[in-house]
Order: sequence, then structure tokens, then C-alpha cells
Amino acid sequence: DTAVSQTPKYLVTQMGNDKSIKCEQNLGHDTMYWYKQDSKKFLKIMFSYNNKELIINETVPNRFSPKSPDKAHLNLHINSLELGDSAVYFCASSQDWTGTNYGYTFGSGTRLTVV
Amino acid sequence: DQQVKQNSPSLSVQEGRISILNCDYTNSMFDYFLWYKKYPAEGPTFLISISSIKDKNEDGRFTVFLNKSAKHLSLHIVPSQPGDSAVYFCAASLLTGNQFYFGTGTSLTVIP
Repeated sequence: DTAVSQTPKYLVTQMGNDKSIKCEQNLGHDTMYWYKQDSKKFLKIMFSYNNKELIINETVPNRFSPKSPDKAHLNLHINSLELGDSAVYFCASSQDWTGTNYGYTFGSGTRLTVV
Repeated sequence: DQQVKQNSPSLSVQEGRISILNCDYTNSMFDYFLWYKKYPAEGPTFLISISSIKDKNEDGRFTVFLNKSAKHLSLHIVPSQPGDSAVYFCAASLLTGNQFYFGTGTSLTVIP
């Protein structure tokens, strides 16, 4: 039983395409996140949702749009993909919006390659 | 603007010896710190945490030390085992905040 599952695991696509990454958690957590790990291995937050409401929206291009249909799901849609979007994207969840109770539970990541 | 830094990208240790992973931070307002462990092709998993009211937290073979004046924390693993070989990330947050700031990770190799 995977606690935080994201699909697909690998995504190779051409520049200009639109793609989505899906994330689901079965932990009953209130808060979900999207993190991006760039080529320098730097993990940086992109978005955070608490009970379907956006609470963090870091400086990311408008081409990135998160959607949370319910508390257990947080999907990431990316329009007009660019080469610089190539990275590993991690979905995560936490019990509450501070993430200080046992930290985050991460998914296994989606490696996006834009060619 | 990287507020959490792990200056050693890699570390090799003999099995049975102590592994010490270091982490520095710049924001003196951080008051909660975590260590995560990551295996290849998997997401990071929570390992151990410490709040700023403590200077040490222990969980089995893992101990985290916090030196607030130096803005430094370290993770000690003793004794190190081959299964500990992974990338270790430290992360920091404000208790009133809603995000963690991560370091770039240290890849630990425990040699049998």
C-alpha cells in the first residue's frame, strides 16, 4: 500500500507540449506539496495545499498549475514545456500545514525530461 | 538563496564506524529541523527531527545534534551499516511556517 503515489514515474516529452503529473495520498493527511529537485539536487517547494486550499505558491512560472480536486489528490499540470523544466518532481504530504509532525511523506518522484 | 547548506556532497565510512553528516543554516529564526534519507529512485523518507528547544535527539543508531549559536546541525550514525548508504538531506522550517527548506544532500557510502 503506497502512502503517496505519483504517476508517471518517468515522462519524456517535447518542448511546447502540455503534461500532467498526478499525486494521491492515502494517509488522511491535510496538506500536500509539490517540490522540484533540479540538476544541482536542490529540493525547492513549488506549491502547498491544505484541505484543497492553496497556501504556498512560490515563484514558479504561470505555466505550472496545481489542481486539488480533494484532500487526497494534488495534480500538477504544466503548459508549454521548456527545456529548463527538466527535473525530478516530488509530491509530498503531511499531517498538518506545518509539516512538523513526522515531517513529510514523499512520493517516489517523477523524472521529467523535456527534449 | 539557499538557506540550508550541506557542504559535503559525499562521505565514505567503513562499516561499524561512525558517520557524521553536517548541515548549516543561515536563518536564525528556524526552529525545527529534520533529516531525511533517500535511496535511488525513491522519495526522501523521514529519519529524525529536532526542535530548537533541544540540542540533541536520539533514535536508535541515529542522533541529531543542534548548535543554535553556530547555526549548525549534525547527524551521527553509529555504528554505520551498509544499508545506511543513501543520500541524506537536512531540512529546516519555522514552527509557524508551512514549508521546509532543504539542503542539497550528502551521499553516504558505508563500505562493508
